[in-house]
Amino acid sequence: ETGVTQTPRHLVMGMTNKKSLKCEQHLGHNAMYWYKQSAKKPLELMFVYSLEERVENNSVPSRFSPECPNSSHLFLHLHTLQPEDSALYLCASQGTSGGPYNEQFFGPGTRLTVL
Amino acid sequence: AQKVTQAQTEISVVEKEDVTLDCVYETRDTTYYLFWYKQPPSGELVFLIRRNSFDEQNEISGRYSWNFQKSTSSFNFTITASQVVDSAVYFCALRVYSGGYNKLIFGAGTRLAVHP
Repeated sequence: ETGVTQTPRHLVMGMTNKKSLKCEQHLGHNAMYWYKQSAKKPLELMFVYSLEERVENNSVPSRFSPECPNSSHLFLHLHTLQPEDSALYLCASQGTSGGPYNEQFFGPGTRLTVL
Repeated sequence: AQKVTQAQTEISVVEKEDVTLDCVYETRDTTYYLFWYKQPPSGELVFLIRRNSFDEQNEISGRYSWNFQKSTSSFNFTITASQVVDSAVYFCALRVYSGGYNKLIFGAGTRLAVHP
């Protein structure tokens, strides 16, 4: 049990649908991350939230919209996605106290398929 | 440039063989941290080890060992007497710290298949 949960674990959606991915951490961390893992590609950092403020948006298309309402929850809102957006979406969290010493803990991921 | 290279895409071994996964990194920072993560079929990334740039001591944890060499910018991972449960994708990562938060730069991963 890493303390980072993600729902749903699997999602199939059409290109015109709107859906949201949810991430929740119970570790008292105050930084949260979204990563995308496509087949045969390195893990790509999408967004970083630190103290509920978005501090990095890694050139992600606007059809992905993150939301961090509090330090324990992170959402990724999806709309009008493309088939190439099919991937494993991983959430991670990390404490910022202690500076660079803390590890990122990852959730199990949401396997997204866009038809 | 900040970059991590895992040149081995896939490795296949028979149980009880030793196997080494290579990792080469590039960074302009003088202080940095390197990580190895394991990703089993379930998808979750499991933290294995962190190493900071000031500590070049090799580390051993059970069947796992890590060889960090700054001179060659490498941080290799060896599994001794591999087991089927070691089958997974292994990622090496470089952490950069900027603006009050960290981000990880991952290598492409090495898929390890251990056969009985």
